[in-house]
Amino acid sequence: QSLLTQPPSVSQTPGQRVTISCSGSSSNIGSNTVNWYQQLPGTAPRLLIYSSDQRPSGVPDRFSGSKSGTSASLAISGLQSEDEADYYCAAWDDSLNAPLFGGGTKLTVL
Amino acid sequence: QVQLVESGGSVVQPGTSLKLSCAVSGFSFSHYAMHWVRQAPGKGLEWVATISPDGSNKNHADSVRDRFTISRDNSKNVLYLQMTSLTVEDTAVYYCAREGNTIIIVDYFDYWGQGTLVTVSS
Repeated sequence: QSLLTQPPSVSQTPGQRVTISCSGSSSNIGSNTVNWYQQLPGTAPRLLIYSSDQRPSGVPDRFSGSKSGTSASLAISGLQSEDEADYYCAAWDDSLNAPLFGGGTKLTVL
Repeated sequence: QVQLVESGGSVVQPGTSLKLSCAVSGFSFSHYAMHWVRQAPGKGLEWVATISPDGSNKNHADSVRDRFTISRDNSKNVLYLQMTSLTVEDTAVYYCAREGNTIIIVDYFDYWGQGTLVTVSS
């Protein structure tokens, strides 16, 4: 059971907007930035969002991140079929002195 | 372009050892902290270990501490993970990843290799 809690699955239709939540505590999200990774089926993870709301070059602006208190969210607008993937949040934990990953959320594009 | 290529994965018996390698190219290896992250079959991501750019600082997850050791050879642009006393719970795809923040050692992982599969089974 990860200390960063994500919904196991979310689904939405193409063209719509979907959000994925990541809930933590004061020792991780509450005091550190959050990163998001996308893992397409059968591939390695890819950095999607870093420092809670920054997009690496090459990541479409349909993807956005936010953080408030001990929770963070990843929003995907204009959903496309190729967005179907597993999404993981991650943050440093000051108590464990280690980086944590959320359990992952499987996004299904209906 | 940045490339990370893992190798060394294999099927091994419980209690044995294995050494993974990650050959990198396309960036100044000695300037970046590096990480190992693993993913058990059908499961999520788990951080395994981190090493500083010069190799002087290392950190390992509690689940592998005293059994796994991360190291690097900056002259060869290679990252390593020495794994000993392997158990079935260590079965996973092992990814090497580059640290994206050049100031602190652990922040975000901006480039990942394709992974190498380690299967521990009797």
